[in-house]
Amino acid sequence: GENVEQHPSTLSVQEGDSAVIKCTYSDSASNYFPWYKQELGKRPQLIIDIRSNVGEKKDQRIAVTLNKTAKHFSLHITETQPEDSAVYFCAASMDKLIFGTGTRLQVFP
Amino acid sequence: GAGVSQSPSNKVTEKGKDVELRCDPISGHTALYWYRQSLGQGLEFLIYFQGNSAPDKSGLPSDRFSAERTGGSVSTLTIQRTQQEDSAVYLCASSLAAQANNQPQHFGDGTRLSIL
Repeated sequence: GENVEQHPSTLSVQEGDSAVIKCTYSDSASNYFPWYKQELGKRPQLIIDIRSNVGEKKDQRIAVTLNKTAKHFSLHITETQPEDSAVYFCAASMDKLIFGTGTRLQVFP
Repeated sequence: GAGVSQSPSNKVTEKGKDVELRCDPISGHTALYWYRQSLGQGLEFLIYFQGNSAPDKSGLPSDRFSAERTGGSVSTLTIQRTQQEDSAVYLCASSLAAQANNQPQHFGDGTRLSIL
């Protein structure tokens, strides 16, 4: 079955800096890769997703890149703000989502 | 409703009791998923339903866990003879479809289950 690894487990950045979170997946049949943001005690919120026919997608300060050959994908947050502080999860899917273990991002003012 | 609705929001029960958790998906969503999130951990897939197809139960951790989806809408996750390791937040998600198009999954607020 699918296995998703996510790094780093924690990430601390200064406000305004960029943050990068990386994930690898094992099943080459996976074709959908969403990223979720989860604040403490809240539901996971979809922030961006990418399908396997696309190499990069951007939405304002957030971008995701996908390398199908290497089976890895990354989340890039530019100009970080304190409200970006949360746990971020990557996932890989053909149907059900298989999640990475999460990255706790802290943005310091 | 506007989003995925789960009830109860919190459930505290004694070890050995059965519990039922409910999920009401977004109207029109044909796919429904259950995940489990232990404290400080990631999300673990449990089961998903897509239309009238047989559910994918491959993530259920033991035969004490079962789920049903009646009428293609509301789903109930049942845990029999609860154990302390069942304590977690149980999250439900729904999407327009499970396959081919891989539509985004939208989560409910979850049920926080505590087994004493």
